[in-house]
Amino acid sequence: GESVGLHLPTLSVQEGDNSIINCAYSNSASDYFIWYKQESGKGPQFIIDIRSNMDKRQGQRVTVLLNKTVKHLSLQIAATQPGDSAVYFCAENIMYDDMRFGAGTRLTVKP
Amino acid sequence: NAGVTQTPKFQVLKTGQSMTLQCAQDMNHNSMYWYRQDPGMGLRLIYYSASEGTTDKGEVPNGYNVSRLNKREFSLRLESAAPSQTSVYFCASSEVSGRATQTQYFGPGTRLLVL
Repeated sequence: GESVGLHLPTLSVQEGDNSIINCAYSNSASDYFIWYKQESGKGPQFIIDIRSNMDKRQGQRVTVLLNKTVKHLSLQIAATQPGDSAVYFCAENIMYDDMRFGAGTRLTVKP
Repeated sequence: NAGVTQTPKFQVLKTGQSMTLQCAQDMNHNSMYWYRQDPGMGLRLIYYSASEGTTDKGEVPNGYNVSRLNKREFSLRLESAAPSQTSVYFCASSEVSGRATQTQYFGPGTRLLVL
């Protein structure tokens, strides 16, 4: 899951396994959410988004689940590959033009 | 398309010095943003520009100024750098401002060290 602090949560998975990365968001009025991937030394890269009128959205090898009751978001990566190793973080649309970002989870894929 | 570009990639400043971080996008996006990213923390919005000619404060604007020079370019200025401004700075842009869509495209970042 997400946390604010000096040390990011980490998730280590075996290549080929599925990964699940979790995020707790803060504002029950948020209506738009995005997952980003950030590789070392690079800027964040958009993965997938979901609006609050949906519970699930699928992309290529990725699925985002939204549980508004408990303000929880998850990112599922199928058949995780070494190239998936990165920091993943969620963002929520708090208000007009203001996205709030979580600190992220570091995913390490073992060959 | 280059997407979002930032200069410089890395900068070392002494306390009290000033500098301007440059950002440009070639996607014809309306909105542009400046964030800082500190170890173990999420991106924090410094300033944003919803459209050419407008700028607004974000979560952490103190010590910074911005200029939306034209639709393509959005610069961030530190007038008197402080060690607390040591961070990685990211510029981003999005096609549509507001709640319609907020998919933001990020530049590679500028690593700033203030001694």
